[in-house]
Amino acid sequence: ELKVEQNPLFLSMQEGKNYTIYCNYSTTSDRLYWYRQDPGKSLESLFVLLSNGAVKQEGRLMASLDTKARLSTLHITAAVHDLSATYFCAVSPMDSNYQLIWGAGTKLIIKP
Amino acid sequence: DGGITQSPKYLFRKEGQNVTLSCEQNLNHDAMYWYRQDPGQGLRLIYYSQIVNDFQKGDIAEGYSVSREKKESFPLTVTSAQKNPTAFYLCASSRWDSNNEQFFGPGTRLTVL
Repeated sequence: ELKVEQNPLFLSMQEGKNYTIYCNYSTTSDRLYWYRQDPGKSLESLFVLLSNGAVKQEGRLMASLDTKARLSTLHITAAVHDLSATYFCAVSPMDSNYQLIWGAGTKLIIKP
Repeated sequence: DGGITQSPKYLFRKEGQNVTLSCEQNLNHDAMYWYRQDPGQGLRLIYYSQIVNDFQKGDIAEGYSVSREKKESFPLTVTSAQKNPTAFYLCASSRWDSNNEQFFGPGTRLTVL
């Protein structure tokens, strides 16, 4: 069974701290996606990682991909309240151009 | 501006009624998708379509139907056979290439009264 596991599923942290969200997957893939969802809203694409060792950064968020370990990380640096949201990772299996396998999401609360 | 639109934003349905959710995209994307999201949960794939006049069932297709008569449009009908349709429905689209990044519409929140 294809699985994408995120941890933690819930994270409460203080502003200014650093933290990492992990995304493990069970299938062979070199394409991984990170999305953000604000409460009651749709999903916004954050990062697309298309190869082993890919690293992308946008502001205080940095995502990386290790296809050999089947692991992606989303690192938050010096968190601010505006980053409070639910973060999803999704994997595109090698034998599928279309379907994404989704993680359960990590709900991140950043306290002022 | 290119994007994906969904309508209505909120929809209320009586038990036993069929309702149709609209999804339109002007991104010239080949593939379109319908997802269901329950409160506090992740996304589950209902149907997807790679090309016009063709679509495939996802993980939870029972009680739903779709059509893809135009590249831009992928409407979802929630039938009376869907036992628990109250949820947030998200439509997405993507190009046919190695990137496959999916872009999402604003969603339709369906409530069964």
